[in-house]
Amino acid sequence: AQSVTQLDSHVSVSEGTPVLLRCNYSSSYSPSLFWYVQHPNKGLQLLLKYTSAATLVKGINGFEAEFKKSETSFHLTKPSAHMSDAAEYFCVVSDPGTASKLTFGTGTRLQVTL
Amino acid sequence: GAVVSQHPSWVICKSGTSVKIECRSLDFQATTMFWYRQFPKQSLMLMATSNEGSKATYEQGVEKDKFLINHASLTLSTLTVTSAHPEDSSFYICRAVGLASDSPKTEQYFGPGTRLTVT
Repeated sequence: AQSVTQLDSHVSVSEGTPVLLRCNYSSSYSPSLFWYVQHPNKGLQLLLKYTSAATLVKGINGFEAEFKKSETSFHLTKPSAHMSDAAEYFCVVSDPGTASKLTFGTGTRLQVTL
Repeated sequence: GAVVSQHPSWVICKSGTSVKIECRSLDFQATTMFWYRQFPKQSLMLMATSNEGSKATYEQGVEKDKFLINHASLTLSTLTVTSAHPEDSSFYICRAVGLASDSPKTEQYFGPGTRLTVT
């Protein structure tokens, strides 16, 4: 069975400082991993995805994530936070044999302060 | 490019009534549709999976007679909440998986969501 654990339910950073949102996964196979962002009362937007190619994945809006198999982690980072980054972030895992079934983490709310 | 839309984007209904939520795909053949529910400040929980032309498969704890899913075509799936109650108030999101008209690869797209409030 697949699962993801988002280690922080809430992260607060100052504008211009780095962002780190942590995610650990559990999977029986070589998983696909995703990060989605959701702004208040909005749908989900794909930030980036890992599908067994390069372990460092670059996404939109300056975000990137590194797949570390030895640590079963897929942490999301951004060098410099912007006020518009304030949102809910979901780490998501998909096993290849589960007909595109996604399993969502519990989410991390990112707060960006002046 | 492919787009997945949901209608309505928000709806308020009275307790005991039924509400139908549509999920439509444009330039995209949604062979599989997933329906999720998201309660306030919580993550998305999968409710059911449907393949075009087949009956939906429901997750444990989701009442199939209460949440009716129809996926009769590759561009339309509907979720009907029957006899809605206040505890059904939630954000409902569809996710379409299939082939886009301009790509040979399987793609996936989330709908923008429908906020249901039952009074």
